[in-house]
Amino acid sequence: AQTVTQSQPEMSVQEAETVTLSCTYDTSESDYYLFWYKQPPSRQMILVIRQEAYKQQNATENRFSVNFQKAAKSFSLKISDSQLGDAAMYFCAYRSPNTGNQFYFGTGTSLTVIP
Amino acid sequence: KAGVTQTPRYLIKTRGQQVTLSCSPISGHRSVSWYQQTPGQGLQFLFEYFSETQRNKGNFPGRFSGRQFSNSRSEMNVSTLELGDSALYLCASRQQVSGNTIYFGEGSWLTVV
Repeated sequence: AQTVTQSQPEMSVQEAETVTLSCTYDTSESDYYLFWYKQPPSRQMILVIRQEAYKQQNATENRFSVNFQKAAKSFSLKISDSQLGDAAMYFCAYRSPNTGNQFYFGTGTSLTVIP
Repeated sequence: KAGVTQTPRYLIKTRGQQVTLSCSPISGHRSVSWYQQTPGQGLQFLFEYFSETQRNKGNFPGRFSGRQFSNSRSEMNVSTLELGDSALYLCASRQQVSGNTIYFGEGSWLTVV
């Protein structure tokens, strides 16, 4: 099974500042997808951003961007100009093509945004 | 387009009872997967269904089962409930098993007392 590790259980950031959440994964596959999902207090999991492993260019969605380092098996999420609404649990996920396209999730990072 | 709908949202059961949770996927999505979320364990994959057939299964005991109907709606059942089954159960859907992104419902909170 693939392993996804989020080493930061909790992070905090000042409003309007930038924060980076870390994620590493363990795989022997070459073609896969990586995701960041956000889970606010409502518990609705929301897709933040997605990265295809075959693409060298880092994905960007408005204030959210990733730093994808394939050789290092690292996939960090950068949130710029943090807003109060960004406060949530963030989960890194890996989609494995060789195990039925199953998703594997990390244990999450709880992000607090300080006004 | 309506999102993934899960019912009930909250329920309390007694140890030893059984429970059935329901999930209606996004219209046009034929794959439904289930996850258990507990503090400290993150999201644990239970199983995935596509076209009424279980395609993937996680490492859970046989007390956890599921099924999918011809309209793609899915149910999961937990029999002989244990205190440790208290969790948020999340359902997610995608168009195909090969779909690149899964979309989640709001979850069903199960408390076992």
